[in-house]
Amino acid sequence: SQKIEQNSEALNIQEGKTATLTCNYTNYSPAYLQWYRQDPGRGPVFLLLIRENEKEKRKERLKVTFDTTLKQSLFHITASQPADSATYLCALPHAAAGNKLTFGGGTRVLVKP
Amino acid sequence: EPEVTQTPSHQVTQMGQEVILRCVPISNHLYFYWYRQILGQKVEFLVSFYNNEISEKSEIFDDQFSVERPDGSNFTLKIRSTKLEDSAMYFCASSGRSYNEQFFGPGTRLTVL
Repeated sequence: SQKIEQNSEALNIQEGKTATLTCNYTNYSPAYLQWYRQDPGRGPVFLLLIRENEKEKRKERLKVTFDTTLKQSLFHITASQPADSATYLCALPHAAAGNKLTFGGGTRVLVKP
Repeated sequence: EPEVTQTPSHQVTQMGQEVILRCVPISNHLYFYWYRQILGQKVEFLVSFYNNEISEKSEIFDDQFSVERPDGSNFTLKIRSTKLEDSAMYFCASSGRSYNEQFFGPGTRLTVL
């Protein structure tokens, strides 16, 4: 079955540095991959979508890469700020139903001033 | 900026009671979803809805669950006879096109006693 793995350990990073998060998946070749941010007790907030024919996508201080050979996506937050502290979720569409998203467990990021 | 809204923010109910969770998706969106997140666990897909019918549902979405779009703006999730294990955050989401980003509401915290 489709499996999505994100580092469950929290990532502690100093303000101004780059945070890099990993999303690995198995048993599937998704047409696209999404990244969301989730704050405690809140709903996921869409950040970026990258399609299988795109290697890299950027939005302000965020950058996502998608390596379909390695079955991996990397999510970078450059010049991190304390306000970036949150849990970041990777999500992939289900093999047979492209609008059904399967979420990873998320990686918590804590940016220290 | 348009957003998905959900009511109530918190619902407490007794086991065996029926609950209806309400959502107002973004107005020009055509695809609607319900997800849930048990405390400390992953966000899980429940059901997707398009063109006034269910397009996909998960194993969690059994006969106790139903969805409805009673008018042009609301989208509801009904749980007929709640169980203790239904306690979770329930998120509504919508998207404008298929295979695209989904916009989540703030969630309804359901507590079954």
